[in-house]
Amino acid sequence: DTEVTQTPKHLVMGMTNKKSLKCEQHMGHRAMYWYKQKAKKPPELMFVYSYEKLSINESVPSRFSPECPNSSLLNLHLHALQPEDSALYLCASSQVGRTSTDTQYFGPGTRLTVL
Amino acid sequence: AQSVSQHNHHVILSEAASLELGCNYSYGGTVNLFWYVQYPGQHLQLLLKYFSGDPLVKGIKGFEAEFIKSKFSFNLRKPSVQWSDTAEYFCAVNDPGGYNKLIFGAGTRLAVHP
Repeated sequence: DTEVTQTPKHLVMGMTNKKSLKCEQHMGHRAMYWYKQKAKKPPELMFVYSYEKLSINESVPSRFSPECPNSSLLNLHLHALQPEDSALYLCASSQVGRTSTDTQYFGPGTRLTVL
Repeated sequence: AQSVSQHNHHVILSEAASLELGCNYSYGGTVNLFWYVQYPGQHLQLLLKYFSGDPLVKGIKGFEAEFIKSKFSFNLRKPSVQWSDTAEYFCAVNDPGGYNKLIFGAGTRLAVHP
């Protein structure tokens, strides 16, 4: 069983709504990631947090706002999204995040639909 | 920039057939390579990984992969597939720029018929 949990499993929101996606891991990992996966496409990296600090922002639009309150939690705040933002949003974690020999473990994802 | 190519987008096999899925990467330096599997409706799971050492890597569920540096390849193999192997398979490589950025290939959708 995955040790990365994500809530909610499904989310439907309008373009004017504000919502948040949550991710939690209890493996003691210090790096956490957000990926976006469109249908029949590979995951694409959005953000990386390492030791609760934002390390990578892959030029993601500001309507997506990540937050890492502590080393176990990662949030993705959503505001004024567009229909093309509909996708599966995956969270992952790894031990450190500053070396390329880390292994990332993925959560089940939140399937987001923007109407 | 690093890129990953998976040449087989769809593969259809009968049970007990052998499987080989191709993966090529572009970076010529030290790389770390992964195969992930995504079963229908389930999350991405790590099948196996290569960091260094023996280029033949064994993973879960009878899968293995061989790292061939001269060919920039990391092909996934299984001698005898089962219906339960029906899934999407992603090859991935770490961006050598650090911060553990994973670059995924486009994926191969495998269907195994009983």
